[in-house]
Amino acid sequence: GNSVTQMEGPVTLSEEAFLTINCTYTATGYPSLFWYVQYPGEGLQLLLKATKADDKGSNKGFEATYRKETTSFHLEKGSVQVSDSAVYFCALSGSIIQGAQKLVFGQGTRLTINP
Amino acid sequence: DTEVTQTPKHLVMGMTNKKSLKCEQHMGHRAMYWYKQKAKKPPELMFVYSYEKLSINESVPSRFSPECPNSSLLNLHLHALQPEDSALYLCASSLIAESTDTQYFGPGTRLTVL
Repeated sequence: GNSVTQMEGPVTLSEEAFLTINCTYTATGYPSLFWYVQYPGEGLQLLLKATKADDKGSNKGFEATYRKETTSFHLEKGSVQVSDSAVYFCALSGSIIQGAQKLVFGQGTRLTINP
Repeated sequence: DTEVTQTPKHLVMGMTNKKSLKCEQHMGHRAMYWYKQKAKKPPELMFVYSYEKLSINESVPSRFSPECPNSSLLNLHLHALQPEDSALYLCASSLIAESTDTQYFGPGTRLTVL
C-alpha cells in the first residue's frame, strides 16, 4: 500500500538557518504530494503541493520538488524564521478506494526555530 | 476562498452526554471528511462523504455518528464517548472524492471527554 516516511524530529534551528525536512514515499501510479503545516493549537494548512513528476511546489519561501526517480518530496527553505515553528506533515493522495481518495500522512516533523 | 469552518473550537463533555460537532464549507466542494488527531500524531481518517452520501467509514465505533444534511454542511454526533476519544477532530473538504484533489482542513474542535 501507499506510505510516507518523514525524517524524525524534533528539529531545532536558529533563525535564518537553511531548512530541509526529508520525505520519501511508496505509491503505485501517480500520486499527488502535499506538505501541510500545523501551528500550535490549530488545524492543518496546505503549505504547497505538486501533482506530477518534476513539479515544484512553493509558498511562503518553502519549496519542494516531486522527484519520481528517488520517490522524494523534500521540503526546503533558505532562511527560516521563528514564526515557522510548527509541525510539518508530508502527505500523498494516490489510490482511489471505495470511490474516494485517502490522504496518507507521514508521522510529522516538529520544527522549532530559536531567535 | 479556501475556508472550512468548525464549531465549537473547544468542547468538554461527560461520558453520558450527547453533543455535536459542526463543519461548514462554501467552496462548492462535494467531498467532506472527518479526521481524528491525537497529540503528536498525524490525522486519522474516520469518515468520507461524497455527494452527501457516506462513502467510507473507517470502522469507527457507533458512538460517533456522522451526518451530511447538505453539500455545505457536515456534522459529527457524539454519544457515550470514552476518555480515550479526547482528541482534535478535524473536518476537511475537497472538490470531489474520486480524485487526488487537495483537501482543505478546518481549524478543528478540541474535544475533552471526562
